Amino acid sequence: ETGVTQSPTHLIKTRGQQVTLRCSSQSGHNTVSWYQQALGQGPQFIFQYYREEENGRGNFPPRFSGLQFPNYSSELNVNALELDDSALYLCATQIRPTRNTGELFFGEGSRLTVL
Amino acid sequence: GQQLNQSPQSMFIQEGEDVSMNCTSSSIFNTWLWYKQDPGEGPVLLIALYKAGELTSNGRLTAQFGITRKDSFLNISASIPSDVGIYFCAGPSNTGNQFYFGTGTSLTVIP
Repeated sequence: ETGVTQSPTHLIKTRGQQVTLRCSSQSGHNTVSWYQQALGQGPQFIFQYYREEENGRGNFPPRFSGLQFPNYSSELNVNALELDDSALYLCATQIRPTRNTGELFFGEGSRLTVL
Repeated sequence: GQQLNQSPQSMFIQEGEDVSMNCTSSSIFNTWLWYKQDPGEGPVLLIALYKAGELTSNGRLTAQFGITRKDSFLNISASIPSDVGIYFCAGPSNTGNQFYFGTGTSLTVIP
């Protein structure tokens, strides 16, 4: 139990639609990252939010966008969905600043299927 | 991005056996992490390594940070059914704001 809650757990969309995924973090975890995990692959970094601003971005197009709110919760928005967007989307939280890197707390993920 | 390759890709072992898996990188990392992912769950951190040559244990798990800083190893002793899952290695970017994950090693333990 990591204290990181994601919603919805599963959803199905069609190509061209838009989706919003949500994440609430543990108390005090002020940094939120989003990862995409395709079937049979390791998680791929999408972006990170710290102090309500994007703090690094992976190799994902602009139709992937996010928000972080004052209570540190976060949203991931994906526009113009494509079939390849089908994946498990993981939210991960951590505390910054921190002396050691690595203590990422993951939620259970949102399984997105694009038809 | 960084390429992290894990081997073996999958393992089928008898309960009670020891397990070894490794992870190699095309670039140097200053931190190595090992995560386990159960079906339908997010990854959970097992062990973190912060110094080249470091050997760290967590119960039946032991991990080593390779001297070259381009590899790491994870050993599980006396495997049990709940060890089943996918094991990922990971390392942070220089800024520490993103993590690169390996391709994963799937472990099946046969009772």
